[in-house]
Amino acid sequence: QVQLVESGGGVVHLGESLRLSCAASGFTFNTYAFHWVRQAPGKGLEWVAAISYDGSNKYYADSVKGRFTISRDNSKNTLFLQTSSLRADDTAMFYCARDQFSDLLPDYINAFDIWGQGTMVTVSS
Amino acid sequence: DIQMTQSPSSLSASVGDRVTLTCRASQSINNFLNWYQHTPGKAPKLLIFAAFSLQSGVPSRFSGSGSGTEYTLTINSLQPDDFATYYCQQSYSVPPHTFGQGTKLEIK
Repeated sequence: QVQLVESGGGVVHLGESLRLSCAASGFTFNTYAFHWVRQAPGKGLEWVAAISYDGSNKYYADSVKGRFTISRDNSKNTLFLQTSSLRADDTAMFYCARDQFSDLLPDYINAFDIWGQGTMVTVSS
Repeated sequence: DIQMTQSPSSLSASVGDRVTLTCRASQSINNFLNWYQHTPGKAPKLLIFAAFSLQSGVPSRFSGSGSGTEYTLTINSLQPDDFATYYCQQSYSVPPHTFGQGTKLEIK
């Protein structure tokens, strides 16, 4: 069964850190790029970060650049998002999503074909 | 960055109706446009990719069209499971993979 399962969310204070994980199963993990997408309460979807199939290329939204780090362990079929210097506006449900392709390249119509159920991050003051 | 604007923000319809949702990009995105369905408490679901292509397993009552900067998602014969929020997303100029703000489809 093809699935992604996120974990690691929780309640943290302003400025703290949290490491999110996304465990993949049912497909060949190391041939796909992956993304993190978040949804703040009452808001829409916001793309956060992406990583190529082999981890050599990483991409970030301006809102998280320098604070969040995306990584992957292909030997464990797991995607990660290390968050730091968390702010109140980082409060959101975080989803991991599989890309249809291996990387973000010109002429690739990257679409996110498999999503997890999400893990909630709450940043309190 | 390319901005994506969806209209309407919300829409009321009845089971069996046909609805059309619109997504406009701030510049031409050459059909690099995807549509997702999101129901609260569930994982978002890819419906349409590359403007017209139906994702495997998605019912044929969903269809996508458009070109340049304007795209539409049409749902024929609405079913109870279709009441959700729909998002468009551009993948023409990435990063970032910009989403529209969403259209919430509610039961009338």
